[in-house]
Amino acid sequence: NAGVTQTPKFQVLKTGQSMTLQCAQDMNHNSMYWYRQDPGMGLRLIYYSASEGTTDKGEVPNGYNVSRLNKREFSLRLESAAPSQTSVYFCASSEDPSNTGELFFGEGSRLTVL
Amino acid sequence: LAKTTQPISMDSYEGQEVNITCSHNNIATNDYITWYQQFPSQGPRFIIQGYKTKVTNEVASLFIPADRKSSTLSLPRVSLSDTAVYYCLVGDRQAAGNKLTFGGGTRVLVKP
Repeated sequence: NAGVTQTPKFQVLKTGQSMTLQCAQDMNHNSMYWYRQDPGMGLRLIYYSASEGTTDKGEVPNGYNVSRLNKREFSLRLESAAPSQTSVYFCASSEDPSNTGELFFGEGSRLTVL
Repeated sequence: LAKTTQPISMDSYEGQEVNITCSHNNIATNDYITWYQQFPSQGPRFIIQGYKTKVTNEVASLFIPADRKSSTLSLPRVSLSDTAVYYCLVGDRQAAGNKLTFGGGTRVLVKP
């Protein structure tokens, strides 16, 4: 039982390049989320998916796209990376409704855009 | 979503009790209060959740007054390993998608 798995863990891009961050969970959770965390700051919600087939914008969606491929997988795509997107990206999942709505996080993907 | 306000940082010493207060003046009737802990280079992890009065688990206690406009996370007898950032979240855990947003958190430094 791996929980939430993110790939890659580290990535360096040049400005204008594209890439996709992958996230998979094996807890059969309905909801999945993408957050970004800049150095010394809190987490900001980029996009979330309440269930398979649905996605919604969070606080900072500009410059990103997401795909809820199936119940297990939720990917985040940067079409044209910018230095302002240098950050650590966290994927999370939760079961709704649940006892606590607890979020389970992956280990993060550290992205640097030059 | 209810906005939360926490102190930016707190220092403590090993063996002391640490209390972190979070303000959430606009909390809604269906909102719960949840606290997460984050170590460097890791994702946050759930610590405790409550609706009103007091909740206690093996890690912490959560005190919520009757008006629910604030809450206090209490960490008993902290150790160096409790050095982390602590986030207070307020939201309706039953809402579809449960769009949770994190504030800036409180950076707790435990000194020897």
